[in-house]
Amino acid sequence: GDSVTQMEGPVTLSEEAFLTINCTYTATGYPSLFWYVQYPGEGLQLLLKATKADDKGSNKGFEATYRKETTSFHLEKGSVQVSDSAVYFCALFYNQGGKLIFGQGTELSVKP
Amino acid sequence: EAQVTQNPRYLITVTGKKLTVTCSQNMNHEYMSWYRQDPGLGLRQIYYSMNVEVTDKGDVPEGYKVSRKEKRNFPLILESPSPNQTSLYFCASSFRGRGYEQYFGPGTRLTVT
Repeated sequence: GDSVTQMEGPVTLSEEAFLTINCTYTATGYPSLFWYVQYPGEGLQLLLKATKADDKGSNKGFEATYRKETTSFHLEKGSVQVSDSAVYFCALFYNQGGKLIFGQGTELSVKP
Repeated sequence: EAQVTQNPRYLITVTGKKLTVTCSQNMNHEYMSWYRQDPGLGLRQIYYSMNVEVTDKGDVPEGYKVSRKEKRNFPLILESPSPNQTSLYFCASSFRGRGYEQYFGPGTRLTVT
């Protein structure tokens, strides 16, 4: 079945370091891909999305490219801040189906 | 303000006592869904609804019921809660026209003893 796998956390970085959080997926069709972020004690918020192969989603300095050939949607940011400390979730969704499948989440901790 | 609301936010109950967690959105979204979040497992979808009177099972529907009689409301019903349903629950809604990006509620922390 369809699934999403993220790199395990926690990931600890110093401020201004480069961030990569790996996400790979298994899909039988052509889903849309999302990154959501959860700050401590809050619900999830959409960070970025891509709806088809080779699309690049970007927001708040974060980027991810929908790579069909490697079935990946890795999240990157050039220079992280302490305020980026949160849990990040990769997810896939089929517009025709309605199921939304999440990865297990990756906790990011950024130290000053 | 556009939002998804859930009630209650915190609930402690006993095994077997029926409960309902309400979810309401004011954005006229067609799609609504329920998730549970457990450590190490991420979020898992319980039920979803593509529109009024249309619901379908997600990955972990056992022990839960839902209904979608109105577009804005999507209550989650636990007919006979058990301790393995202790979890953090999120409701979300989305609009087809924006590629189904989800707007999440603040969460309901449920403890079943």
